[in-house]
Amino acid sequence: DGGITQSPKYLFRKEGQNVTLSCEQNLNHDAMYWYRQDPGQGLRLIYYSQIVNDFQKGDIAEGYSVSREKKESFPLTVTSAQKNPTAFYLCASSSERRNTIYFGEGSWLTVV
Amino acid sequence: GENVEQHPSTLSVQEGDSAVIKCTYSDSASNYFPWYKQELGKRPQLIIDIRSNVGEKKDQRIAVTLNKTAKHFSLHITETQPEDSAVYFCAASIRNNNDMRFGAGTRLTVKP
Repeated sequence: DGGITQSPKYLFRKEGQNVTLSCEQNLNHDAMYWYRQDPGQGLRLIYYSQIVNDFQKGDIAEGYSVSREKKESFPLTVTSAQKNPTAFYLCASSSERRNTIYFGEGSWLTVV
Repeated sequence: GENVEQHPSTLSVQEGDSAVIKCTYSDSASNYFPWYKQELGKRPQLIIDIRSNVGEKKDQRIAVTLNKTAKHFSLHITETQPEDSAVYFCAASIRNNNDMRFGAGTRLTVKP
């Protein structure tokens, strides 16, 4: 678990701004994920990447973008097109050998 | 796609009592069922998981049961302690973590 680092922990965004959440892992995992968590709801998948330079949309990708230029890094950009971005964002990773998903500490994004 | 429902949404028990959280899933092809514990403002952490070739799994005070015919699985916590207070999420996946779907969560409160 300690091998996934998200930053910043808290972020405030003004209307119309793009913001980028960082996610780095040193677990040598191939797959990485971004989830959004809202109060009273489960985790919803935004994007995932199984290998470097490849990523796929999850259930709620609209208004978000990602890149996977390095195995260790999977940053998430919340664009101005995301109309309700205030939420808790969780980055995660997993290895091919096991299903287990490991999560980062999360980032709180608030629109002001 | 897979749909996971979780009940109850909140659960309050007295210290020392047992707690049971139930989840149902829609896709009979699902074969991996993890449970995560999330303390306030922190990352979800895997506490136990079960695969479809097993009906029950125990780890100290925690157990998970799976009924494939009825498509439901349950988390059982015995001898609850105040530190068990958290939100618990169930999840189900078919092939890999890209299709993993989470329940909405159960907020467990253990009263001393």
